[in-house]
Amino acid sequence: DTGVSQDPRHKITKRGQNVTFRCDPISEHNRLYWYRQTLGQGPEFLTYFQNEAQLEKSRLLSDRFSAERPKGSFSTLEIQRTEQGDSAMYLCASSPRVKEQETQYFGPGTRLLVL
Amino acid sequence: AQSVTQLGSHVSVSEGALVLLRCNYSSSVPPYLFWYVQYPNQGLQLLLKYTTGATLVKGINGFEAEFKKSETSFHLTKPSAHMSDAAEYFCAVDQGGKLIFGQGTELSVKP
Repeated sequence: DTGVSQDPRHKITKRGQNVTFRCDPISEHNRLYWYRQTLGQGPEFLTYFQNEAQLEKSRLLSDRFSAERPKGSFSTLEIQRTEQGDSAMYLCASSPRVKEQETQYFGPGTRLLVL
Repeated sequence: AQSVTQLGSHVSVSEGALVLLRCNYSSSVPPYLFWYVQYPNQGLQLLLKYTTGATLVKGINGFEAEFKKSETSFHLTKPSAHMSDAAEYFCAVDQGGKLIFGQGTELSVKP
């Protein structure tokens, strides 16, 4: 068990640029989640996948955001035309979701700064 | 919709003192409740969780929490604080698979 990994750990970009983050879940975890955490706040749910299917998206996820999990393993989160308000920590988590209340295991996060 | 409120954005205790971090939830169904800890520039680590059964839940690092349905609370306690406990603590409720987090409580431990 190598844990959830995220890449990159830090990203600085200029407003208007596109960025893409990657998350590798714990192997054999069929659920993968994305959250966003701004300074001084708790994480907020963005979206989640059951295998390769994206089952729910938060209204926080504007049209500029897109997430994929093409083969049910790793996932990518892309932000197009970044805005300063997108600056945040983006957290990925995975769980086996065999039953209710399964623990979600979090990665170290990708910290995004939009200048 | 479920929600979580953490009372006190910042709690400061002396080393060796009792730690009490407060969490109240709102849920129309029996809740699944979690406490996570976050150290600076890191992800979240599970401390403990309540699903069903025993209402007093023991977690890692000497922490425990008690589910009180009548008070809709799930407060986190530790009898004796250690310097290494200084971190941000988040209470969360499971809503259909996604976690709804409180705003967090930053715990400071004074020597």
